[in-house]
Parts: sequence; structure tokens; C-alpha cells
Amino acid sequence: TQLLEQSPQFLSIQEGENLTVYCNSSSVFSSLQWYRQEPGEGPVLLVTVVTGGEVKKLKRLTFQFGDARKDSSLHITAAQPGDTGLYLCAGVVALSGDMRFGAGTRLTVKP
Amino acid sequence: GAGVSQSPRYKVAKRGQDVALRCDPISGHVSLFWYQQALGQGPEFLTYFQNEAQLDKSGLPSDRFFAERPEGSVSTLKIQRTQQEDSAVYLCASSKLAGGEETQYFGPGTRLLVL
Repeated sequence: TQLLEQSPQFLSIQEGENLTVYCNSSSVFSSLQWYRQEPGEGPVLLVTVVTGGEVKKLKRLTFQFGDARKDSSLHITAAQPGDTGLYLCAGVVALSGDMRFGAGTRLTVKP
Repeated sequence: GAGVSQSPRYKVAKRGQDVALRCDPISGHVSLFWYQQALGQGPEFLTYFQNEAQLDKSGLPSDRFFAERPEGSVSTLKIQRTQQEDSAVYLCASSKLAGGEETQYFGPGTRLLVL
């Protein structure tokens, strides 16, 4: 089983819709990161959250770190076809300092 | 260079062959990571270097996998006697300083297919 569980695994929506992707764990993380990966490329960092309850906004993307630093969410408002891609969460495990990835959410936004 | 580069981008190997995958990190970056990404999965940690020292190799799946970074810059991941289950994308990442909190910059990966 993955240390970080992402849901949903696949998401297909129409342009203009809103969506939320979840990243959950029973472990505590000292920080959590969200990446976006395009086909044939490596992951690109979108945001890092470090404080429990922290909320960060990046244009139409809103990232939240859970109060207990065990979970996170990514909310996209008015999705556009350019948002299509694989969204990965990754956490630095508080006890070990290791970084571990979730399996990803594959988002498709149809025009 | 401006980013992390990896070569080759694609590699097809016959089962039993040895392969070597190269990673050129961002110049001056202390830390270098190797990950394995199977189809439809997130990256799985393989090994970590701080300069030339391999500090963590706990993710290497078997003794057929070997990584080195002899001069603290370029790194090579070698897989001996490749098996079909080794087919995956191998990602390299570097970060400026040591420590898990540092931002990792990823290369485009090497897609390995073992027939």
C-alpha cells in the first residue's frame, strides 16, 4: 500500500467545472508538495505547504494542508484544457525525512 | 545546464542485458535522487547522494541495481541482467542543498523497456 493515497485516481471533466483532488495518509509530514507531470516529462513542483492548516493559492489552484499535517487537497476552479495532466502529491515524512509520492490523479479537462 | 538532463531518453533492452542510465544534475546541486516510476504510478524512491556519498540506497529493489556519483556531479544508474519487471521510467532529481525539505528538480526521465 502507498504511504500517500490519492483520490480520485482518474478524473475527466468539462472545461469550466471545479474539482478537488485529495491526498491522505496516516503518517505525519513535515511538509507536503504538489507536482504536475506531463507525458514524457518529469514532475514539476507547483507548491510546498509546511504548516498545519496552511492554504496557498496559485491562480485558479488552491492547496490546503490538513491541521494534523497528514492530508492535503488541491482544488481547481474553472478548469481549463491546459490543466490536463498527472497531479502528484509528495510528503516529507516527519520521522525519517524521506520524501514519498502518491500514485497520482490523472486529470483530463475536455474543451 | 539550465535543468536536469538524462540520457538516453528511451532504452530498449533484451532480458538479461546490462543498461546504464545517466543523469546530469543542475550544476552545483549537492543532492541527487533516483526514482523509478512504473506505468500509472507515482515515483518510487531508489537512492540518494549527497555530493559523491551514497547516503541512502534503501529503495534499490535488488542487488542488480547499482548507482554511483564518483565526482559529486554526474550520476549513473546501472541495472545488471535486466528483467521485464524493470521496465519503467527512471527519474533523476537534484536539489541545491542537503535535506529532504529542499525543492527537487526533476529530469525528463529515461523510459526503459525490457523485452
